[in-house]
Amino acid sequence: DIQMTQSPSTLSASIGDKVTITCRASQSISDWLAWYQKKPGKAPNLLIYKASALEGGVPSRFSGSGSGTEFTLTISSLQIDDFAIYYCQHYNPYSWTFGQGTKVEI
Amino acid sequence: QLQLQESGPGLVKPSETLSLTCAVFGGSITDSRYYWGWIRQSPGKGLEWVASIYYYSGSTHYNPSLKSRATISVDTSKSQFSLRLMSVTASDAALYYCARVAGDYYYAMDVWGQGITVTVSS
Repeated sequence: DIQMTQSPSTLSASIGDKVTITCRASQSISDWLAWYQKKPGKAPNLLIYKASALEGGVPSRFSGSGSGTEFTLTISSLQIDDFAIYYCQHYNPYSWTFGQGTKVEI
Repeated sequence: QLQLQESGPGLVKPSETLSLTCAVFGGSITDSRYYWGWIRQSPGKGLEWVASIYYYSGSTHYNPSLKSRATISVDTSKSQFSLRLMSVTASDAALYYCARVAGDYYYAMDVWGQGITVTVSS
């Protein structure tokens, strides 16, 4: 089974900061990777698919990069609405695996 | 705009069967571009994929950790899909989400329900 490992587990940042979250796969997954934002009491929200494709309606300050085993989610200028938990997710026919999450806190 | 709505009992006794339903509004559950799935989040834990179904082919897929306790199905007449989880234990207590899985999006989950909390207790 492919394992997805995110780092850091928690990230402390301020408004306006550039934030980078890393997701590593235990073996190459090409670009079969998505990123989600999860806020308390709300459903996860798809941000990025295919490692770097921005979902419609997602602010352009979010970007994804990487391929193979290492991926990053970058928030170029952190806004108050961005404090949340972020999950990476890999699709491998036919199973879906999430990373353990990265909490972005003030 | 597609919307999903979970329903089902919020409380299930240990060893019994959990049954959840996800109603699909504003779109077709038979659309060949999409899978439909269930994801859960246990208290204080991360997201865990539970099961998925592709109506077009009838194929179903399950998280191996569930050890064959889960069944996912589609009812096109009601435009809904369901999850049954047998022999539940306290570890099955979670917030359960249903979601649409978009093949065009490299099988990412692009639409989610608001979630339903399931407690396992006698």
